[in-house]
Amino acid sequence: QSVLTQPSSASGTPGQGVTISCSGSSSNIGSNIVNWYQHVPGTAPKLLIYRDDQRPSGVPDRFSGSKSGTSASLAISGLQSEDEADYYCAAWEDSLNGVVFGGGTKLTVL
Amino acid sequence: QVQLMQSGPEVKKPGASVKVSCKASGYTFTVYYIHWVRRAPGRGLEWMGWLNPNTGATNYAQKFQGRVTMTRDTSINTAYLELTRLRYDDTAVYYCARPPSYFAWFDSWGQGSLVTVSS
Repeated sequence: QSVLTQPSSASGTPGQGVTISCSGSSSNIGSNIVNWYQHVPGTAPKLLIYRDDQRPSGVPDRFSGSKSGTSASLAISGLQSEDEADYYCAAWEDSLNGVVFGGGTKLTVL
Repeated sequence: QVQLMQSGPEVKKPGASVKVSCKASGYTFTVYYIHWVRRAPGRGLEWMGWLNPNTGATNYAQKFQGRVTMTRDTSINTAYLELTRLRYDDTAVYYCARPPSYFAWFDSWGQGSLVTVSS
């Protein structure tokens, strides 16, 4: 019952591409930036995409973000085994004066 | 470089309280908000609230209001998360995180503090 809706799982084979969607509303994605995090349990979450489509230094250009209206997407091309992780979208929620996360998408590289 | 160093693992009984610390270094502590995020086993990342280290102002997620307190000690650049009346489903790794500005992303994270609630 997360405020932002993501598919619970995604998968692909090495070298393939995959897209993870994130759906929100006018009070979060529709009016604020979207950020994406990669999380491997047991480690700290890692910022993957910020301000909808910007990559921090060190993040490969295989990762890209986009946003349209109240939805956002994370695309990963050229899948690698080390991409296996949980991926979360996040946005500021105006009604809460705080952050909301998606429920997370577990990416499996077959 | 920015570092957020958190306190070690804790084991608590149901009904008890826990206080987790987050020591900041590499930047001016009072300039940037600190947020707390947790991840329970089998669940996703969950935002708990934010603390303004400069003023002490806080905002908590509705789910935790009444049980959570976020404080700071500016003399030692440390933020604290206290959670009371612990329940089994509070078992989680708790992270502090720092955004570069108010509405922004979390570009720095602590290493996480495991809190286990067990009888």
